Amino acid sequence: AQKITQTQPGMFVQEKEAVTLDCTYDTSDPSYGLFWYKQPSSGEMIFLIYQGSYDQQNATEGRYSLNFQKARKSANLVISASQLGDSAMYFCAMREGGSSNTGKLIFGQGTTLQVKP
Amino acid sequence: GAVVSQHPSRVICKSGTSVKIECRSLDFQATTMFWYRQFPKKSLMLMATSNEGSKATYEQGVEKDKFLINHASLTLSTLTVTSAHPEDSSFYICSASVSQGNQPQHFGDGTRLSIL
Repeated sequence: AQKITQTQPGMFVQEKEAVTLDCTYDTSDPSYGLFWYKQPSSGEMIFLIYQGSYDQQNATEGRYSLNFQKARKSANLVISASQLGDSAMYFCAMREGGSSNTGKLIFGQGTTLQVKP
Repeated sequence: GAVVSQHPSRVICKSGTSVKIECRSLDFQATTMFWYRQFPKKSLMLMATSNEGSKATYEQGVEKDKFLINHASLTLSTLTVTSAHPEDSSFYICSASVSQGNQPQHFGDGTRLSIL
């Protein structure tokens, strides 16, 4: 069965510094997608970045980059130049591919990030 | 702007009331939508997959008769919490995607349900 693990319940980072949020996954499907979402205290889920299992390069979106290490089954999120508005809960999620794919996402436990001024 | 609209954003009602939550895809057709439940500071737990024109697929442990899902059109799915009790109080959030592959699921803004 597929599984997503985020081992950091909470993280602190100083404003303008970079921070890495950890995510490991487990699946037997060779085709899958990995997503990161941000959830501020207001509750909405904001899509940040996507990495496909067959992508050769690590995904980047502005200040967000994904450190994809396929052999280790890890997909860590790196946020550069942290801002106060980055304080939120962050979720790693996986969607399996293949013919039986329903498109559903399985989420990790989440990491609460607090950016200190 | 938002591509998935969820309504209402907040509901407070008495025990025994049935509550309906709507999830609409605004500028695309969604044959599949998803309903999640989230407790404070916890992860999103998938409740069911809503399929347009057919029965929803419920995750293990989710009561079908308690959480009724209807997906009557390509842009609307509804979740009805029947005879709600205080333990049903939670944050409910829906999502939909345009297609598979690298397209992210777009989420509604969620509904905070409080049963007194």
